[in-house]
Amino acid sequence: DIQMTQSPLSLSASVGDRVTITCRAGQNIYSYLNWYQQKPGKPPKLLIYGASSLQSGVPSKFSGSGSGTDFILTISSLQPEDSATYYCQQSFSTAWTFGQGTKVEIK
Amino acid sequence: QVQLQESGPGLVKPSGTLSLTCAVSGDSINSSNWWSWVRQSPGKGLEWIGEIYHSGSTHYNPSLKSRVSMSVDKSKNQFSLKLTSVTAADTAVYYCARKDSVYYREYFQYWGQGTLVTVSS
Repeated sequence: DIQMTQSPLSLSASVGDRVTITCRAGQNIYSYLNWYQQKPGKPPKLLIYGASSLQSGVPSKFSGSGSGTDFILTISSLQPEDSATYYCQQSFSTAWTFGQGTKVEIK
Repeated sequence: QVQLQESGPGLVKPSGTLSLTCAVSGDSINSSNWWSWVRQSPGKGLEWIGEIYHSGSTHYNPSLKSRVSMSVDKSKNQFSLKLTSVTAADTAVYYCARKDSVYYREYFQYWGQGTLVTVSS
């Protein structure tokens, strides 16, 4: 299995802040990296695919970067509705794996 | 639009078999997509269980492979999951999802709402 490690596991930020979440893969996964947002009681929602491609309908305040083993999800201006848990997921190997999740809270 | 809906028993006894079905609407199970199961438990986070194609081809998570089987019912436009010899560690919310791809970049765009399965006597 390809291990996916996110940091931090939780963060608290103010409305309007720029927030970054890091995801590190246990081996080179090129750009086969997706980001999801999950709110309580709901399934994950796709935000970014292919490391940096914004899913249709997702606000442009979300952006992704990176390749190889190190990836970043950025929220450019945090809003109350962005309070959620964010997961990275690799699609390089057949057995997809997810990061542990980063819980984002609003101060 | 594409919708997926999980169904099945919410309570399974230890050593028993967990059986779930995912009904697909807005798309054909015969489309060029793989159909997947993912589970989420507090202890292990999100875990990919496996996937099935309409031809019956499957890929399973190596950690669950000895206990997992999946099938497709084309007449009902649905696919199913069976997990045998369950323990409390299999207690989780189980999701079905459709795998999509753009230029070989694959992802889950469509998910069911999830169903909680508890393993307990």
